[in-house]
Amino acid sequence: QITLKESGPTLVKPTQTLTLTCSFSGFSLSTNGMGVGWIRQPPGKALEWLALIYWDDDKRYSPSLTSRLTITKDTSKNQVVLTMTNMDPVDTATYYCAHRAYGSGSYYDYWGRGTLVTVSS
Amino acid sequence: DIQMTQSPSTVSASVGDRVTITCRASQTINDWLAWYQLKPGNAPKLLIYKASNLGSGVPSRFSGSGSGTEFTLTIRSLQPDDFATYYCQQYNYYSQTFGQGTKVEIK
Repeated sequence: QITLKESGPTLVKPTQTLTLTCSFSGFSLSTNGMGVGWIRQPPGKALEWLALIYWDDDKRYSPSLTSRLTITKDTSKNQVVLTMTNMDPVDTATYYCAHRAYGSGSYYDYWGRGTLVTVSS
Repeated sequence: DIQMTQSPSTVSASVGDRVTITCRASQTINDWLAWYQLKPGNAPKLLIYKASNLGSGVPSRFSGSGSGTEFTLTIRSLQPDDFATYYCQQYNYYSQTFGQGTKVEIK
């Protein structure tokens, strides 16, 4: 059974760096084909894809946010970490991590419940 | 960037109704399209992948169709549990984009 859970600060100040951790079980990110992505949803707005890391350490980022994002994995801990620099109030959102479905294409078959991050001074 | 345009933004429907949601891509995405259901406080749920394939455990009243740039999600007979917001997602190895969402509300 695959599960994912997001953790990190609930409140960050403008200009600070956000660090979120996705802890997962039920699969290994060292297995061929695996991947974990990050998606966010500002209050009342649509989902926005942020980043994806593959089992082979290949990384993909949203073109509009690539300069601010870094995604890494710790296979031994079953964790994926997302950092976002220079946080702004518009980055207030629920942040989700999700398991990339095995096979071709990068859709997500298992999601965490999300963590709400508020950016405010 | 590939843009995804969903319509309508809101649909008011009753239990038992047939509901259709459309998603249009700004360029061809073949059949690299998924649909998700979101409810407040819950983890998003995969409904459809590769345009027309039903996700694991998803009721058969949900179906997806389309290819290229035009896609639809159909709920054959709306159930109380289906009142939620639905998103399409185009995906490939390099990037992905979500639509703006469609809220299915009680009429």
